Amino acid sequence: KQEVTQIPAALSVPEGENLVLNCSFTDSAIYNLQWFRQDPGKGLTSLLLIQSSQREQTSGRLNASLDKSSGRSTLYIAASQPGDSATYLCAARNFGNEKLTFGTGTRLTIIP
Amino acid sequence: NAGVTQTPKFQVLKTGQSMTLQCAQDMNHNSMYWYRQDPGMGLRLIYYSASEGTTDKGEVPNGYNVSRLNKREFSLRLESAAPSQTSVYFCASMGLTSSTQYFGPGTRLTVL
Repeated sequence: KQEVTQIPAALSVPEGENLVLNCSFTDSAIYNLQWFRQDPGKGLTSLLLIQSSQREQTSGRLNASLDKSSGRSTLYIAASQPGDSATYLCAARNFGNEKLTFGTGTRLTIIP
Repeated sequence: NAGVTQTPKFQVLKTGQSMTLQCAQDMNHNSMYWYRQDPGMGLRLIYYSASEGTTDKGEVPNGYNVSRLNKREFSLRLESAAPSQTSVYFCASMGLTSSTQYFGPGTRLTVL
């Protein structure tokens, strides 16, 4: 059974810093891994999706990497801004399975 | 293009009451999902539907029923609400050609 872990549960950094969010998964037979953003009281917005054949994906200031052998994915945010404050969740999808297994998220606060 | 819509946004029930949460998507997606989100537990899949006319149990199906009314709509029913069902419920959809799940804004349900 796939299990996804995100540590730390909360992170505060000063504005302008680069930062990395971590995501670990137990079953390396993943089909893809997806990073989401969730603002308070809102739904989830997809940020980046990495297929199992890919090592990384980039969108603007965001870069997500995938290392299946170590069971890890990271989300790198460059030049952080107060608007980046939100909860970030990762989710793994295994081969032959439509279901996503979510981590519990990292709540990020960017301090102006 | 509204994406994924959910009604109602908020609901308070008494123990034993029933209700149906509605979800609709206008992206012509085949797959639809119901999740619940609880503090410290991440998102957990309740039921999903890979196509019109099919439904399957997820991780936490007990106490819930679903109906895939047509390709657009997927409803979640609580027949006899319990305080343990107090949660935020999210509906999501996914197309055949994309691995990205798109989420609705959520329904906040409180069972007293």
